[in-house]
Amino acid sequence: QVQLVQSGSELKKPGASVKISCKASGYTLTTQAMNWVRQAPGQGLEWMGYINTNTGNPRYAQGFTGRLVFSLDTSVSTAFLQISSLTPEDTAVYYCARGVSGYYRIDYWGQGTLVTVSS
Amino acid sequence: QSALTQPASVSGSPGQSITISCTGTSSDIGDYNFVSWYQQHPGKAPKLMIYDVTKRPSGISSRFSGSKSGNTASLTISGLQAEDEADYYCNSYTINTTVVFGGGTKLTVL
Repeated sequence: QVQLVQSGSELKKPGASVKISCKASGYTLTTQAMNWVRQAPGQGLEWMGYINTNTGNPRYAQGFTGRLVFSLDTSVSTAFLQISSLTPEDTAVYYCARGVSGYYRIDYWGQGTLVTVSS
Repeated sequence: QSALTQPASVSGSPGQSITISCTGTSSDIGDYNFVSWYQQHPGKAPKLMIYDVTKRPSGISSRFSGSKSGNTASLTISGLQAEDEADYYCNSYTINTTVVFGGGTKLTVL
């Protein structure tokens, strides 16, 4: 069965960077897009963008460009999200989420990774 | 792209039916049949309940159904059960080739 398993919680200081992993199993990573979605504490879901896992081309949502990097290591079926120049406003749960037959058709989600940014 | 508009909360008694609306614009819901609905229990990841406006993934109860009229999509849950109490989110593909989510609706089963 399809599973997306994310790396564990992170505590970072303002100005630092974080890199979250998302390991896919139950299907071939490169056949479906991978989205990244953010959920701040007590808030709703916010789409951050996606990576075309076949070409490696990323698409970043407006408002996130410049600080995000989506990447892949297809040899281990893993997608990555890196966020730089962290601020306390980046404190959130970050989800990877598979897009099936179109990046916008999100079906399976990872369990989420809590990133806390605090001095 | 502004978030889709959902009511903050809805409630219903066990056995009843409820409908959650999700209002967008002609640049998203109104122009595309790529609306999905997700259920999220506290501390858990979202779960896909409806995709492409009306389709149910395998394993999702037929008590959940989706529809669309103009710029508004709706999720209907019939025969409410205690386990349905959760947050529900809609999303849609947009004319800018992005994805936009609704603000979420908290469903309380009385």
